[in-house]
Amino acid sequence: QQQVKQSPQSLIVQKGGISIINCAYENTAFDYFPWYQQFPGKGPALLIAIRPDVSEKKEGRFTISFNKSAKQFSLHIMDSQPGDSATYFCAATMRNTGNQFYFGTGTSLTVIP
Amino acid sequence: DVKVTQSSRYLVKRTGEKVFLECVQDMDHENMFWYRQDPGLGLRLIYFSYDVKMKEKGDIPEGYSVSREKKERFSLILESASTNQTSMYLCASSIQSDRETRGYTFGSGTRLTVV
Repeated sequence: QQQVKQSPQSLIVQKGGISIINCAYENTAFDYFPWYQQFPGKGPALLIAIRPDVSEKKEGRFTISFNKSAKQFSLHIMDSQPGDSATYFCAATMRNTGNQFYFGTGTSLTVIP
Repeated sequence: DVKVTQSSRYLVKRTGEKVFLECVQDMDHENMFWYRQDPGLGLRLIYFSYDVKMKEKGDIPEGYSVSREKKERFSLILESASTNQTSMYLCASSIQSDRETRGYTFGSGTRLTVV
């Protein structure tokens, strides 16, 4: 079954607006939660990541909010730009042999000029 | 920069052919992975390896096998290609650390079409 659930499947935002993508997980052993950004024809690239000992991490216009008790985390893109148009994947993993990641199903973000 | 290189960007193969997808990483990573990406289904793990000659099944291993004879190279093999294996295939690698978890580095992908 899907270990990480992601929503929405697609998102359209005006330039300058805030894009919000949500993810939820079940396994409390997960200890690392990255977000990946993928442009058409490219492989996903690590955008930002958080560990469960903090509730928020910010890098430029990108912020992860993490709610450990609710087992949810979200990506906020402030002042969204057309260049942010991409597919975004959340993921989760735990410290173990192999370091297998569990990915959400992805969100296609379109930022309209 | 860590590089994960997939040998082909685009491949077209016939049904029943044996297909090899190659992946090479240059940063001495222990872990390597093969995913397939399909619209609406996200990234699904086919196989992974955490050491030379070691392999573990992922969520959808049927119809695939892998080979890891050297640390830097991880090959995905489609034993007898079928049209439902038409997909984008992504290779990734990561460091194995007992102290903390690290992110993946992905290759650019191979878009395989089976006709």
